[in-house]
Amino acid sequence: GQNIDQPTEMTATEGAIVQINCTYQTSGFNGLFWYQQHAGEAPTFLSYNVLDGLEEKGRFSSFLSRSKGYSYLLLKELQMKDSASYLCAVTDSNYQLIWGAGTKLIIKP
Amino acid sequence: GAVVSQHPSWVICKSGTSVKIECRSLDFQATTMFWYRQFPKQSLMLMATSNEGSKATYEQGVEKDKFLINHASLTLSTLTVTSAHPEDSSFYICSARDTTEYEQYFGPGTRLTVT
Repeated sequence: GQNIDQPTEMTATEGAIVQINCTYQTSGFNGLFWYQQHAGEAPTFLSYNVLDGLEEKGRFSSFLSRSKGYSYLLLKELQMKDSASYLCAVTDSNYQLIWGAGTKLIIKP
Repeated sequence: GAVVSQHPSWVICKSGTSVKIECRSLDFQATTMFWYRQFPKQSLMLMATSNEGSKATYEQGVEKDKFLINHASLTLSTLTVTSAHPEDSSFYICSARDTTEYEQYFGPGTRLTVT
């Protein structure tokens, strides 16, 4: 079956760094997405990785290792507005998006 | 960037009635549109995938006769919840993708409450 695992909840301190991990087992792989979703709102795109390595975009970076079926989202200089759920999603061989359950990130002052 | 709109943003209806939700891609042609449902504190659940001009492909467990999807043009898809029941109350989100992009662009969502 297809499976994406990510922690249910994480807590971090404002100004710190947090890494949210995602492991996946899918039938084929055509890219991995990270989305941010604030409560009551639709997801917004953060990053896309299709090749191994690190993609940096401002305070957010995303890493992918296809051989390990592993990705992480790194958030630096955390701000209170970063409190949200972070969704990992993988595009399988049929270009279908398989979603993780999301990681709720709580930022404390 | 690509923009997807949804209408209405929230709706309250009585049990047994039908509700139509529209999803529009405003500045690109969406060859494929996706409909998701999200219950509180849960992740997105894909309901169906629709390609312009063809019938939608429904995920297992989603009743096609209850959730009618029409993707009549490259910029508009509609989801009609027929004979709504309180358990259909949820956050419905559409997304759209064109053939040249890998990313799905999400609409703002529609919160449906069935009383």
